Amino acid sequence: AQTVTQSQPEMSVQEAETVTLSCTYDTSESDYYLFWYKQPPSRQMILVIRQEAYKQQNATENRFSVNFQKAAKSFSLKISDSQLGDAAMYFCAYSNTGNQFYFGTGTSLTVIP
Amino acid sequence: DAGVTQSPTHLIKTRGQQVTLRCSPKSGHDTVSWYQQALGQGPQFIFQYYEEEERQRGNFPDRFSGHQFPNYSSELNVNALLLGDSALYLCASSPNGDSSYEQYFGPGTRLTVT
Repeated sequence: AQTVTQSQPEMSVQEAETVTLSCTYDTSESDYYLFWYKQPPSRQMILVIRQEAYKQQNATENRFSVNFQKAAKSFSLKISDSQLGDAAMYFCAYSNTGNQFYFGTGTSLTVIP
Repeated sequence: DAGVTQSPTHLIKTRGQQVTLRCSPKSGHDTVSWYQQALGQGPQFIFQYYEEEERQRGNFPDRFSGHQFPNYSSELNVNALLLGDSALYLCASSPNGDSSYEQYFGPGTRLTVT
């Protein structure tokens, strides 16, 4: 069964600094997608970044980038130049079919002014 | 372009009652998935609907059922409510085919069972 583990329930970062959120997953599949979603207090899940497992190049979206280590089944999210608006719950998610997504338990990120 | 919408925003029900939650997908999307998010947890997949049929189901009892209409909107029904059904229910829509990984979430319905 696919599982997604986020071992950091809470993280904090100074405004303008860099923070890395960790995620590991377990799967026997070779082709799949990994995601980071942001859920602010408004509750709406927002896609931050997506990585296809067959692509060796790490995905980047502006201040957000990932470190994808397929052999280690690790998928971390780096947020550079942190802003107050980055404060939210961050969920790592996995899908190999596009139908069912598996989510981790989340990391609560606090940005300190 | 309207995103995914859900109604109602909040709902309070009593144990044993039945509830119906509604979701309208993003324009151009024909696939709808439902998730249950308990407090302090990540979303758990309930099921997915495509072409008015349940395409895949997660580990949820038969008390959870759904429906998809010809306009792609969807309903989630929960019968015989339990206290443990209290959660945020999220709807996500996606296009079929190669872009099916692009799931867009609605704001959710907060269900409280007393």
